[in-house]
Amino acid sequence: EVQLVESGGGLVQPGGSLRLSCAASGFTFSSYWMSWVRQAPGKGLEWVANIKQDGSEKYYVDSVKGRFTISRDNAKNSLYLQMNSLRAEDTAVYYCARVATISPIFGYWGQGTLVTVSS
Amino acid sequence: AIRMTQSPSSFSASTGDRVTITCRASQGISSYLAWYQQKPGKAPKLLIYAASTLQSGVPSRFSGSGSGTDFTLTISCLQSEDFATYYCQQYYSYPWGFTFGPGTKVDIK
Repeated sequence: EVQLVESGGGLVQPGGSLRLSCAASGFTFSSYWMSWVRQAPGKGLEWVANIKQDGSEKYYVDSVKGRFTISRDNAKNSLYLQMNSLRAEDTAVYYCARVATISPIFGYWGQGTLVTVSS
Repeated sequence: AIRMTQSPSSFSASTGDRVTITCRASQGISSYLAWYQQKPGKAPKLLIYAASTLQSGVPSRFSGSGSGTDFTLTISCLQSEDFATYYCQQYYSYPWGFTFGPGTKVDIK
């Protein structure tokens, strides 16, 4: 069974940093592109970042470029999101999602982890 | 960047109704369009991809159509478990990015 379990969320002050983790199991993690998607409270979904199977390609939404870094450790079946210079508008539930091979769609999602940026 | 719009943003319906949600892309995206269902406090669930291909395990009352810039999601006979928010998502610009529509909330009349 495919499982994605996020952790690392919490309350952080504006300008602070946080590192999210996503533990993957039930599939060959190193074979898939992975993504982070976020959802601000009461708002819609926003794609945040993508990373290729070997980590050689990474893409970001404009609003996080230069502040967030997506990475992965295939030996540990883990995906990460390092978030620096956090702003109030980064407050959201952050989901990790597996990009399918048949089509670049999100077939599996984690349960999400809440990041709150507030003083 | 490709922008996605959905209409309506919300509406009320009754069990048994046939409902249609529209999604429009700011430029042609061929059939690179997916639909997701999300219930409160839960992660989204994939319903349809490639504009009209039903994800495995999704009931056949869900269907999708369209290509280019205009797409629709239809629920042929609304069930109680279908009251949720629905999002379209383009993946034409993958891997450089994805864009979701703003969502359509379907609630009980």
